[in-house]
Amino acid sequence: SQQGEEDPQALSIQEGENATMNCSYKTSINNLQWYRQNSGRGLVHLILIRSNEREKHSGRLRVTLDTSKKSSSLLITASRAADTASYFCALDTTSGTYKYIFGTGTRLKVLA
Amino acid sequence: DADVTQTPRNRITKTGKRIMLECSQTKGHDRMYWYRQDPGLGLQLIYYSFDVKDINKGEISDGYSVSRQAQAKFSLSLESAIPNQTALYFCATSDATGATDTQYFGPGTRLTVL
Repeated sequence: SQQGEEDPQALSIQEGENATMNCSYKTSINNLQWYRQNSGRGLVHLILIRSNEREKHSGRLRVTLDTSKKSSSLLITASRAADTASYFCALDTTSGTYKYIFGTGTRLKVLA
Repeated sequence: DADVTQTPRNRITKTGKRIMLECSQTKGHDRMYWYRQDPGLGLQLIYYSFDVKDINKGEISDGYSVSRQAQAKFSLSLESAIPNQTALYFCATSDATGATDTQYFGPGTRLTVL
């Protein structure tokens, strides 16, 4: 079973607005990564945040991590139509059996 | 040229047939992975390999097998395909020397089992 749950499942916003999506998880992690998937295509890495970090920035992306709440958020500022995609969190877990767990994804639609 | 390639890109097969999906990479990474994605869902790990002599089961390995023929090649086989194996399959690689295991994905293979 998947250990990453994202919300909302789908999000529709106007171009220029900010988009926030959240990832909650149940296990302990080494790091958490966010990936983007355009329809039917392979995932592309966006940003990584380590378990001892609280916030990371990359261009228009801002990621936060709260390990006490086992949650992370991805903020895309000033969204563009080209940001339309599905976004997944991925957990690099500390469990004894190596697992790289992906969340269920948030489908973002940015309207021009 | 793409760093991670998958063949075929699309495949339609019948129940009971054996099918092989192939993955090749030019990134020089030691670690390779096979995932499946069902519509509207995230990715589930099928198998992974940390080097040529290493094969590990993932979350959903039943009904699948893999072969790591070389550092650059990792194949996924469905010994006897069934309709609920209809999905999008992704191969990925990561660099064992890094501490982050950022994964690099192929374009995917869309498999339909009738």
